[in-house]
Parts: sequence; C-alpha cells; structure tokens
Amino acid sequence: LAKTTQPISMDSYEGQEVNITCSHNNIATNDYITWYQQFPSQGPRFIIQGYKTKVTNEVASLFIPADRKSSTLSLPRVSLSDTAVYYCLVGDELTVGDKLIFGTGTRLQVFP
Amino acid sequence: DVKVTQSSRYLVKRTGEKVFLECVQDMDHENMFWYRQDPGLGLRLIYFSYDVKMKEKGDIPEGYSVSREKKERFSLILESASTNQTSMYLCASKDTDSPLHFGNGTRLTVT
Repeated sequence: LAKTTQPISMDSYEGQEVNITCSHNNIATNDYITWYQQFPSQGPRFIIQGYKTKVTNEVASLFIPADRKSSTLSLPRVSLSDTAVYYCLVGDELTVGDKLIFGTGTRLQVFP
Repeated sequence: DVKVTQSSRYLVKRTGEKVFLECVQDMDHENMFWYRQDPGLGLRLIYFSYDVKMKEKGDIPEGYSVSREKKERFSLILESASTNQTSMYLCASKDTDSPLHFGNGTRLTVT
C-alpha cells in the first residue's frame, strides 16, 4: 500500500498560488492520485484526480512527474474560503475492494 | 449528486454501551468505508466493505465491527464503547470509477 507524506501545514495570502506536494514513493502501477479538501465539521470532498502528467479542472491543477513518486496540487489565486485541510490519497480506484488509506493531510491557512 | 447520510451528527454514550453508527448512500455504490478522524492523525480506516455481507479490516479495526446487510447501508458497531473511541467518524462510499463521497460525520463522545 502506498503511504503518503505531506507537509503538516502551510500559510498563504489571498491571491497567491499555493502548491502542496505529496510524496508517495511506493506507488503501484495501478494507483491513481486523488486530492480531497475538508472544511471543519464536514466530510472531505473530491478536488482532482490524476494518473500521470498534468490534470486541470476549474478549481485546481495536479502535476505528476514521470516517476509518479510525488504529486503537487496547485491552487491558483487562493481566497480565504480555500482555508481547509487537503488530503492526498493514493490507491487503485479501479479495483473493487481496494483499501484506501489517507495521510495526515496539510492544513492550509489563507490570510487576507 | 451522490448523497451519503450518517444518521447522527452528534452522539453521547456511556462507557460500556453498545453503539451503532449508521450510514446510507443513495448511488448504488459497491464500496463503503468507515474512517475515524482525530486531531493530528488525519483519517484512519477502520473497516471497509466491497459488497453486501463482505467486509475487510482497515488499519484500526480493534474494538469495532461492521455490518452490511444491504448494499446502501453500512453500519459501524462499537461493542463496548470506551473513552478512547471518542472521535469524529466519517462514512464514505464509492464505485470503481468514482472518487470517495463522504458523509458529514458523526461526532461521538464516550463518557
């Protein structure tokens, strides 16, 4: 099972770009990389998912190098409402019964 | 939109009580999961189920059991609640080609 390592916390200011990196050295061939966002008193919610190279959607970009041993979530021009905990999850999304293990997450604080 | 509903938002139980946490999903997902979340420890997997009546242990199954009699419902059972089981409990479901969908959690306090 791929274990993930993320920074415990990060600070930023409104309008800046934030990059959160996740290490997953023993990622398996069939594993995908998925990022979730969690606000207080809510369950985590899906942000973005990728397998390799770069993926972009309306809220974030995900950069995955060729060796796939790390990934970087990029949040462009953050606002106060992006203050949350961000989790990186590595697992085989296509296999029924895969054990999906989260890391400890990164607490992002955005200041005005 | 997928909805995962946890029956209680807050629950207070006494040490030694049997506690049931219920979770229902409305999207016919195969997989369901129970996590607990504690400050500084992130989300830890207790049990998961990939089909009716099927269950697998996660990283911290001790003191817990689960039941999946119907596809849409996954129950977490604390046979004899203890104070170290005070935590936020999160249920999630997913299909093979979808991300996890979480409920809003049950904050359980055991006194």
